[in-house]
Amino acid sequence: AQTVTQSQPEMSVQEAETVTLSCTYDTSESDYYLFWYKQPPSRQMILVIRQEAYKQQNATENRFSVNFQKAAKSFSLKISDSQLGDAAMYFCAYKGGKLIFGQGTELSVKP
Amino acid sequence: DSGVTQTPKHLITATGQRVTLRCSPRSGDLSVYWYQQSLDQGLQFLIQYYNGEERAKGNILERFSAQQFPDLHSELNLSSLELGDSALYFCASSTPLADTNTGELFFGEGSRLTVL
Repeated sequence: AQTVTQSQPEMSVQEAETVTLSCTYDTSESDYYLFWYKQPPSRQMILVIRQEAYKQQNATENRFSVNFQKAAKSFSLKISDSQLGDAAMYFCAYKGGKLIFGQGTELSVKP
Repeated sequence: DSGVTQTPKHLITATGQRVTLRCSPRSGDLSVYWYQQSLDQGLQFLIQYYNGEERAKGNILERFSAQQFPDLHSELNLSSLELGDSALYFCASSTPLADTNTGELFFGEGSRLTVL
């Protein structure tokens, strides 16, 4: 069975600085998708970024980028120029046949 | 606004009772997924429906059941409720092209269930 592990329950970053959230996953599938979702205090699940496993190029979305290491089964999220509005719970997710989430990393942003 | 509608937003009930949570997917989406998020927990996959048929099952208790109707809305039925069933229940939908190994899920705002 597929598993997703986020080893950092909490992270903190200074406003305008850069932070990296870690995620590893385990699968025997070769074709899958990886996502980072953000859950602010409103509890809404918001897609931050997605990565197709067959693409070697790391995905980027404005201040958000990933470091996808397929052989190592690692999928970290880098947030540059952190803003107060980035404070939220971040979930890494794997999608093969179904979407499986990690346990989340609570990110706080200090002004 | 994701386009996925969940009702009710909040629900308080007693142990032993039964409740029904409702989800309307985005227009055109054929798949509906249900997730449970307990306090300070990640999202646990419960079940997926595709065009009216069960497609995948996760850690869904026997006391829980779901279905997807011809108009594609879905209902999650929770019975013989226990205190531990208190959680935020999310519904999500995805586009037909995203129903293989691709694509994102669009989440509703969730239904918060409190069992007293």
